Amino acid sequence: DIQMTQSPSSLSASVGDRVTITCRASQYIGNYLTWYQQKPGKAPQLLIYGASSLQGGVPSRFSGSGSGTDFILSINGLQPDDFATYYCQQSFSLTPITFGQGTRLDI
Amino acid sequence: EVQLVESGGGLVKPGGSLRLSCGTSGFNFDNTYMTWVRQAPGKGLEWVGRILSKPDGGATVYAAPVQGRFAISRDDSKKTLYLQMNSLKTEDTAVYYCTTEDADRDYYYMGVWGKGTTVTVSS
Repeated sequence: DIQMTQSPSSLSASVGDRVTITCRASQYIGNYLTWYQQKPGKAPQLLIYGASSLQGGVPSRFSGSGSGTDFILSINGLQPDDFATYYCQQSFSLTPITFGQGTRLDI
Repeated sequence: EVQLVESGGGLVKPGGSLRLSCGTSGFNFDNTYMTWVRQAPGKGLEWVGRILSKPDGGATVYAAPVQGRFAISRDDSKKTLYLQMNSLKTEDTAVYYCTTEDADRDYYYMGVWGKGTTVTVSS
């Protein structure tokens, strides 16, 4: 199975900050990397797929980059609504699909 | 509007069975691959399995922890996805989400998620 490791596991930031979250795959996954946002008590929501393609309706302050094994989710100009947990997920191998352990972003 | 609504969760004893349903609307269910994902209390997301559309063969595949115990099926006439869970263990306790599996070029992702249904396995 492909292991996905996110760092940090949690971070604190302020409104207006720029933050980056890293996701590393245990083997090559090309650009088959997806990011989700999950707020407490809610279902996850799709943010970015194909490592850098922004899902429709997602604010442009979110961006994704990377390829191969190392990926980054960036949020420029944090808004109060952005405080949530973020997960990466690989779809290079569909059996099984695997997620990172999550990064909790707190105020 | 695309909607996924899970139901069927509840409290069940270890070794018991439960069937979850996911009613759908607002998209072409017949041609959509579907996925179940679960989240144990306070933990991260875990992929459970997927089912292809019937035009693409309708095959299913499962995560190792549920292989042989869980079965995913679909009723395209009812636009409903199912998860049959047998021989339940305490470690199956989780919120279960159904999701669409969408694709752009050949990038697959879980595009739409239901709100989830809670399964608790406890004696």
